[in-house]
Amino acid sequence: DTGVSQDPRHKITKRGQNVTFRCDPISEHNRLYWYRQTLGQGPEFLTYFQNEAQLEKSRLLSDRFSAERPKGSFSTLEIQRTEQGDSAMYLCASSLGAQLAGLEEQYFGPGTRLTVT
Amino acid sequence: AQSVTQLDSQVPVFEEAPVELRCNYSSSVSVYLFWYVQYPNQGLQLLLKYLSGSTLVESINGFEAEFNKSQTSFHLRKPSVHISDTAEYFCAVRNTGGFKTIFGAGTRLFVKA
Repeated sequence: DTGVSQDPRHKITKRGQNVTFRCDPISEHNRLYWYRQTLGQGPEFLTYFQNEAQLEKSRLLSDRFSAERPKGSFSTLEIQRTEQGDSAMYLCASSLGAQLAGLEEQYFGPGTRLTVT
Repeated sequence: AQSVTQLDSQVPVFEEAPVELRCNYSSSVSVYLFWYVQYPNQGLQLLLKYLSGSTLVESINGFEAEFNKSQTSFHLRKPSVHISDTAEYFCAVRNTGGFKTIFGAGTRLFVKA
């Protein structure tokens, strides 16, 4: 299967610990997105990369959150000093950039479920 | 700014009955519209999308949605549902020139035998 993969699928951590999630997009996709989904809500946009450049960040992404895509392939999302409010499903998506922005389909990974105790 | 409102959080329906999942959006610019489906323990999958042209769009598994610009709606319909359609359905919008997708809160469709 050559879809978007995320690792780990589940993470339980204690409040105050740091966690890092990995996303591997579909190989030829140049755009990568992170979303967060809490219970009973739809996904909320966090950040977006075109190749290795982080082009947009949501105000939801506090200083404790950082995302990287060092070689324009896989991406990592790190949360420092986790809080209980960070408990959510973290989704990654990728797309192949079209000439007309916004047209292309975003393919989602299965998500990483974070539980902060 | 854009927003999406899914008017029903849960829709229970009997198998082979018709169903409509309602979605209204708000935007000051032109948008693309999407419906995504999330089956239990699976990732989000694109069900159908409206980009331009015909206001009625269809998916391969019998769902259809109609873009109504005057009512700013994009309701999802299926004339006869199956047990396997049980899932959560998300309506979403994206600027025609942007990358950020705004999702509604979701509608849980529960098909009963």
